Amino acid sequence: DADVTQTPRNRITKTGKRIMLECSQTKGHDRMYWYRQDPGLGLRLIYYSFDVKDINKGEISDGYSVSRQAQAKFSLSLESAIPNQTALYFCATSDGQETQYFGPGTRLLVL
Amino acid sequence: QKEVEQNSGPLSVPEGAIASLNCTYSDRGSQSFFWYRQYSGKSPELIMFIYSNGDKEDGRFTAQLNKASQYVSLLIRDSQPSDSATYLCAVRAGGYQKVTFGIGTKLQVIP
Repeated sequence: DADVTQTPRNRITKTGKRIMLECSQTKGHDRMYWYRQDPGLGLRLIYYSFDVKDINKGEISDGYSVSRQAQAKFSLSLESAIPNQTALYFCATSDGQETQYFGPGTRLLVL
Repeated sequence: QKEVEQNSGPLSVPEGAIASLNCTYSDRGSQSFFWYRQYSGKSPELIMFIYSNGDKEDGRFTAQLNKASQYVSLLIRDSQPSDSATYLCAVRAGGYQKVTFGIGTKLQVIP
């Protein structure tokens, strides 16, 4: 089984809808991240969490929120989806040894 | 100025040649440097990391770091078609683990 899983893998939604992307990990890592990837812009950090009680904004947090339900779970919510949030979203974990382990990604299309 | 800069490519090399991928960064306080490989439609995976000036070798891969000039490079010897992917440079600045990614360089190895 994969160490970092993301659900759903693909999602189509409409402008204004609230959606949640979920991430689970079995690596036992404290640190978790959410990134989005866009062509020509690379990976950009949305939110990160160093433990269950620690949540930090990344460089592009506007329009997003997160919840760290447990060490193993980190969810990303789009409160009111807009078309420019169409992107590939990755969850990642790290054990503090600086290697990031990525989930398989979620392709989100906002119409 | 972007924090981490890479030429998006594509960089085309013949099979068996040496591929040279370059990355520059703006923060002189950066401490850790990473190269990730990302196949089309897949998630990034770590190839190498380097902390100190000089070269670090792992099989066909060599990472080179020059902190004075603020660049890091990745050499791939005996390039294979299976090396065709996008290579992401990532830099960690500061004591906490916040990593900034470049946009990635697309490498094409021509059989």
